[in-house]
Amino acid sequence: AQKITQTQPGMFVQEKEAVTLDCTYDTSDPSYGLFWYKQPSSGEMIFLIYQGSYDQQNATEGRYSLNFQKARKSANLVISASQLGDSAMYFCAMREPLSGNKLTFGGGTRVLVKP
Amino acid sequence: DVKVTQSSRYLVKRTGEKVFLECVQDMDHENMFWYRQDPGLGLRLIYFSYDVKMKEKGDIPEGYSVSREKKERFSLILESASTNQTSMYLCASSIGGYNEQFFGPGTRLTVL
Repeated sequence: AQKITQTQPGMFVQEKEAVTLDCTYDTSDPSYGLFWYKQPSSGEMIFLIYQGSYDQQNATEGRYSLNFQKARKSANLVISASQLGDSAMYFCAMREPLSGNKLTFGGGTRVLVKP
Repeated sequence: DVKVTQSSRYLVKRTGEKVFLECVQDMDHENMFWYRQDPGLGLRLIYFSYDVKMKEKGDIPEGYSVSREKKERFSLILESASTNQTSMYLCASSIGGYNEQFFGPGTRLTVL
């Protein structure tokens, strides 16, 4: 079974609007971490935001926020006020201590911001 | 800022060649990782290392080996390159198992 699922292969968003990228995960480990990375066309993976399974509040980092719904096993990324530079691939990833703290990645969502 | 560098951005090799991909990080990180990235599959872990001379298999180690003789350097070796190893290879490092990983720019390898 897929550990990390990103159901949106690609999406368009209008500049200055908000966009939500979906991520669902599957784990039996009570302690885990969820990460979002951005990969622009240059290829480098850029860390955006982290949510721990025991964190009481949703993580936020500038224009990025994570809508963490533990019971539903979802960790959606919200980008507010989209900018042209947000056009990129976005990957959700999970760390599980029982798997040696390796990161497992989803298939990614391509976002294209329209002017 | 953490810097992770990879020896080549683009590489073209022939089937059967031995290929070395080098990765260097400058932040004294204990952990280093090699991934390959293919469209629709995201990133898949090939090998990782928690310390010098230590290595652990990831999810897809077949056809690859690694070497970590110094803390800052982690090499991925394709003993006999095959066309199905054509891919983007990404190296990453982290300070500990719980922390975010920092990635290099990637090496796009084509095996003809």
